[in-house]
Amino acid sequence: GQQLNQSPQSMFIQEGEDVSMNCTSSSIFNTWLWYKQDPGEGPVLLIALYKAGELTSNGRLTAQFGITRKDSFLNISASIPSDVGIYFCAGLGRDRGSTLGRLYFGRGTQLTVWP
Amino acid sequence: KAGVTQTPRYLIKTRGQQVTLSCSPISGHRSVSWYQQTPGQGLQFLFEYFSETQRNKGNFPGRFSGRQFSNSRSEMNVSTLELGDSALYLCASSLEGQGNGYTFGSGTRLTVV
Repeated sequence: GQQLNQSPQSMFIQEGEDVSMNCTSSSIFNTWLWYKQDPGEGPVLLIALYKAGELTSNGRLTAQFGITRKDSFLNISASIPSDVGIYFCAGLGRDRGSTLGRLYFGRGTQLTVWP
Repeated sequence: KAGVTQTPRYLIKTRGQQVTLSCSPISGHRSVSWYQQTPGQGLQFLFEYFSETQRNKGNFPGRFSGRQFSNSRSEMNVSTLELGDSALYLCASSLEGQGNGYTFGSGTRLTVV
C-alpha cells in the first residue's frame, strides 16, 4: 500500500504558539485531507484539499496541497488548549491494480498544548 | 441528524474467542468502511462495504470478515482472536464511499487478554 510519512510524531507547545506539521508520500494523491482525533473519539475532518497548490483555511487552521501532489502541510495559529489531540493527514488514492479509491493515513501528530 | 454509531464501545475478550462489532451509518449513507487503529501501525484499512457488497479490502488475514445489511448497517467479525488484535476499531460511513466524505464513529475498543 501507499505510505504517508507524517512529522513530527509529537509536539509540546505553549498556548498561543503556532504549530506546523506535514505529510509526504512517494505516491501522488489527488486529494489530501486533515483529520483531528480527540481521546476516545473517531477522527473528525478539518480540511479537505482537492487541487495541487491549493491553500485552504478553516478558522485558525490553514492547509496546503503541495505542487508535486506528494505532500501537504497543516498550520495551526495561536494554539489553545482545546487544540490538544492527534492530527492525521490522509491521501485519497488506489492500491496498485485497483480502480477503487480509499484513504491512506499518516501515523499522526500528537499535539499537547500547555496553558 | 444522528452520527455514526458503533457498538459496543468497549469489549474484553480472551485469546481464541471470536467477536462481532456493529456499525450503524448515518441515514442515507450506503458505504461503510472499517479501520483498525493501533499505536504501532496507525489507521489500517480493513474493508469497505457498499450496498451489501464488499467492494474493497485491505491486507488483513481471513480471520477478519464483515458484512452489510440492506439497511446499510454493517458488522465486522474477528475469529480466533490474538493478543495483537487489541485495537480501536473505527467505522466510517459515506454516501458513495471510496474515501470520499467519510464520517467516523467513536470506535469500539477491543482488548484481547
